[in-house]
Amino acid sequence: EAGVTQFPSHSVIEKGQTVTLRCDPISGHDNLYWYRRVMGKEIKFLLHFVKESKQDESGMPNNRFLAERTGGTYSTLKVQPAELEDSGVYFCASSQEGTGRYGYTFGSGTRLTVV
Amino acid sequence: AQSVSQHNHHVILSEAASLELGCNYSYGGTVNLFWYVQYPGQHLQLLLKYFSGDPLVKGIKGFEAEFIKSKFSFNLRKPSVQWSDTAEYFCAVNPWGGSYIPTFGRGTSLIVHP
Repeated sequence: EAGVTQFPSHSVIEKGQTVTLRCDPISGHDNLYWYRRVMGKEIKFLLHFVKESKQDESGMPNNRFLAERTGGTYSTLKVQPAELEDSGVYFCASSQEGTGRYGYTFGSGTRLTVV
Repeated sequence: AQSVSQHNHHVILSEAASLELGCNYSYGGTVNLFWYVQYPGQHLQLLLKYFSGDPLVKGIKGFEAEFIKSKFSFNLRKPSVQWSDTAEYFCAVNPWGGSYIPTFGRGTSLIVHP
């Protein structure tokens, strides 16, 4: 089966610009997660979708971050306007059910650099 | 909220050495436990997971982990590492009965010298 796809793989933008990250989960996986890793630190949870609904967005840092999941398929994460501290690797993961019993499948991540 | 501690941030070993990476979590209830690995340039992959039953879990590539509930630990082990085990290893915990959102540790970077 195709894995979780994220693009772009890398993005370098200037402070104040807007960037949109995309995640295509495994087909049929209702659960989609966004995580972020700032260099050398833990992978931190951002939010969780079940189909098109935001189940938990407690990890979103502030209102500059907007996540959507149209039709319960792919998801986008927009950062507007980007700040220097938004730099990091953004991971997307999907799972077929919510407990993680079958594990979570991760994408390769998008490395965002804000300069 | 739960947290996950990985004690060793950087580990350097020679091939054939034994490996043990520590993972402790803070959460009083029932948990599911995971170890993920990220090889250079690749995505995070599941090494093994514990949900219930035998606390000694065997995963892929000769890795195993032992869940010790009394110590809130889930240490990863491999008796003899190979150069190809060079990667970053992440421990993760998700609590039962709540949101089931996995919480990850900081990761341990393992370098194996041939």
